[in-house]
Amino acid sequence: KQEVTQIPAALSVPEGENLVLNCSFTDSAIYNLQWFRQDPGKGLTSLLLIQSSQREQTSGRLNASLDKSSGRSTLYIAASQPGDSATYLCAGGSEKLVFGKGTKLTVNP
Amino acid sequence: GAVVSQHPSWVICKSGTSVKIECRSLDFQATTMFWYRQFPKQSLMLMATSNEGSKATYEQGVEKDKFLINHASLTLSTLTVTSAHPEDSSFYICSAGRGRAYQETQYFGPGTRLLVL
Repeated sequence: KQEVTQIPAALSVPEGENLVLNCSFTDSAIYNLQWFRQDPGKGLTSLLLIQSSQREQTSGRLNASLDKSSGRSTLYIAASQPGDSATYLCAGGSEKLVFGKGTKLTVNP
Repeated sequence: GAVVSQHPSWVICKSGTSVKIECRSLDFQATTMFWYRQFPKQSLMLMATSNEGSKATYEQGVEKDKFLINHASLTLSTLTVTSAHPEDSSFYICSAGRGRAYQETQYFGPGTRLLVL
């Protein structure tokens, strides 16, 4: 059974700082690993999708990496901005998408 | 492209009543739609997967007679919470994919917040 864990549960940083969010998963046979952003009371915005054959994906200030052998993925956010404040979710699986509980990020001006 | 809408965005109902939530793919044909539920400070949990024209597949622990799913067309799936109770209060999110497998990219709707009094 796939389990997805995200650490830390919450993170507060000053504006401009580079940061890393962590995601670990137990099923190394995942098909892909996805990172989403969720604003309070809202749905999900897809940020990055890494196929199982890939090691990383980049979009603007975001970079996500995937290491299937160790069961880890990281989301790197460069030069953080107050608008980046949200909850970040990772999800992956081999039979269905399994989500972590998320990391709540606060970027202080 | 690939926009998914949900209606209503929020609903309050009395215990014992039924509530229907719609999920629509606005600019593509969704062969597969997924329904998730998210309790406060918890993960999104998959409730069921529906393929157009066939019965939904429910996850373990989800009552199919309580959560009725209909996917009658390639652009619309509905989730009906029958005889709702306060413990059904949650955030319900749908997603849609062009293919038949979950591995296809899923496009998520904005969610529906249900409060049962």
